[in-house]
Amino acid sequence: DARVTQTPRHKVTEMGQEVTMRCQPILGHNTVFWYRQTMMQGLELLAYFRNRAPLDDSGMPKDRFSAEMPDATLATLKIQPSEPRDSAVYFCASGFGGASSPLHFGNGTRLTVT
Amino acid sequence: DAKTTQPTSMDCAEGRAANLPCNHSTISGNEYVYWYRQIHSQGPQYIIHGLKNNETNEMASLIITEDRKSSTLILPHATLRDTAVYYCIVRVANSGNTPLVFGKGTRLSVIA
Repeated sequence: DARVTQTPRHKVTEMGQEVTMRCQPILGHNTVFWYRQTMMQGLELLAYFRNRAPLDDSGMPKDRFSAEMPDATLATLKIQPSEPRDSAVYFCASGFGGASSPLHFGNGTRLTVT
Repeated sequence: DAKTTQPTSMDCAEGRAANLPCNHSTISGNEYVYWYRQIHSQGPQYIIHGLKNNETNEMASLIITEDRKSSTLILPHATLRDTAVYYCIVRVANSGNTPLVFGKGTRLSVIA
């Protein structure tokens, strides 16, 4: 089965360090979403891209977070500098077509900032 | 904000049908009902979706009321591996792929 691949699966870092999370969407999917999950807030949309162009990043703290798609097979989410409140599980999802087509999620990157 | 209301938790005996309700009284005519589940430490998993008609696949059945204001996800023979948080999501059908907005979902516990 085709699947969304996220790396790393786990990341522990110290406050102030830069963190980069990567996502390989399913081949042929043209829309990529980044979500964050915490116990308090649940699953929140951070940003999404269509055909590699950012469509909405209103859910993302602009001062420290950035999301890019260098090419159709790679999406990145970067935090610089990281803070303890960024500790969460970050999920990537990809899809193709309209709202009648489901999104498929990766298994996430669990980030711990100490 | 999520546009659905689900019970916080439910129990189901192994081997029995699990019926998970969802209210979406403000749904619009062009919005789909989607169901996902999340097993601990994994990403959300797509289960099924529908617009107006009832749907069935290898995982589950989706029953949507005629007025579309509520739906029920049915797992016909629940197993212990079906223990998860189940999310009912109303998704806008604009052109192109639109985001899923997750609520708190229903925590289903399948009991042996």
